[in-house]
Amino acid sequence: GAVVSQHPSWVICKSGTSVKIECRSLDFQATTMFWYRQFPKQSLMLMATSNEGSKATYEQGVEKDKFLINHASLTLSTLTVTSAHPEDSSFYICSARDPGRGNTIYFGEGSWLTVV
Amino acid sequence: GIQVEQSPPDLILQEGANSTLRCNFSDSVNNLQWFHQNPWGQLINLFYIPSGTKQNGRLSATTVATERYSLLYISSSQTTDSGVYFCAVAGKDNFNKFYFGSGTKLNVKP
Repeated sequence: GAVVSQHPSWVICKSGTSVKIECRSLDFQATTMFWYRQFPKQSLMLMATSNEGSKATYEQGVEKDKFLINHASLTLSTLTVTSAHPEDSSFYICSARDPGRGNTIYFGEGSWLTVV
Repeated sequence: GIQVEQSPPDLILQEGANSTLRCNFSDSVNNLQWFHQNPWGQLINLFYIPSGTKQNGRLSATTVATERYSLLYISSSQTTDSGVYFCAVAGKDNFNKFYFGSGTKLNVKP
């Protein structure tokens, strides 16, 4: 079964509103989680590294004020897309490493965001 | 970051055929994984294989770290194998931080 879970799987929001996506590690503690974005028919691009108890580290070109990341606990990271616009519509996916399973990275199921 | 190139970009197979997917990467890696993305977008982890060879049923993978490439073999392909296969690598400076290839889109026809 899934060891990393995302919620919601699908979300539609209006332009100008904010939407939050959650990423949970279900049976392990993850000090670090990662957020990726995937445009249709393209590969995954790393957006940011989410660090428990500290600020996220963003990749070059990613607006930190637009994509707010919070990692308040060892099992939960959230990505908030603020003042969403249609160009923010995408597939967002998170990942986390389980120390108890070696260095294997597990990905969440992903969240489809549509901004109308 | 590390550059990851996958080939071929698209592949069409008849059910029952075998195939080899390739992943080249530009730097030494501490972590390499193969994933299958299903039509719903979910990434299924196939192999964690920074080096060596592993097999799981009809799938097997080999990574030659010194030559910076990895191969994914699919034998006796089935229609359920269709989807996009991604190779992702992480460098020695941060083995959690993945760089993805552009993927190989596989279509297995009955």
